[in-house]
Amino acid sequence: QITLTQQAESLWVSPGEKVSITCRASQSLLYTDGKHYLSWYQQRPGQTTKALIYHASIRTDGVPTRFIGSGSGTEFTLSIEDVQPEDIALYYCLQTLKKPYTFGAGTKLELK
Amino acid sequence: VQLVESGGGLVQPGKSLKLSCSASGFTFSSYGMHWIRQAPGKGLDWVAYISSSSGTVYADAVKGRFTISRDNAKNTLYLQLNSLKSEDTAIYYCARSGYGSYFDYWGQGVMVTVSS
Repeated sequence: QITLTQQAESLWVSPGEKVSITCRASQSLLYTDGKHYLSWYQQRPGQTTKALIYHASIRTDGVPTRFIGSGSGTEFTLSIEDVQPEDIALYYCLQTLKKPYTFGAGTKLELK
Repeated sequence: VQLVESGGGLVQPGKSLKLSCSASGFTFSSYGMHWIRQAPGKGLDWVAYISSSSGTVYADAVKGRFTISRDNAKNTLYLQLNSLKSEDTAIYYCARSGYGSYFDYWGQGVMVTVSS
């Protein structure tokens, strides 16, 4: 199965700063259609899990433009520019290239 | 789009439980659906998938014990959990498979606790 590694368990950030969360895959997530099957999710207490990014860089409807997905092959990044207090959450990457689908271990974004 | 799970609870090891996920706000029969679980204090684990035509795939950890199914007339997704083990203790979420092969909408989750 494909392993996703989110090396940072926690990242500390002040409001207004930029932060980057990385996700490394054990094999390329590029499919023959030219798309990467990597998506990003946000988990906040008391709220449903929210999809932020799919195909590595496409924001889902309603997601603020400060959330930016990038990367290719096996290395992917979720960047949050101008972090807001409501961005404090757990973030997970997910690969849907091959079953079993697998998640990264998660990165907790915390306030300094 | 709304997904609402139900059916969780406390169950003894070796027993069974059936979870439901009631869907609304979209044409349920047109979408594949997933179950994902999260053990207390842990990360997310994909459990099972059912396509719009009812093809199924399972994670190795639950294969042969869990069964995913759907009733399009009732707009409801199910997960039958048999031969439960303590390591199945988790919050179970249903999620829709969005175009673009990602999990575009999630439910709020239902807790399953396996303990004697």
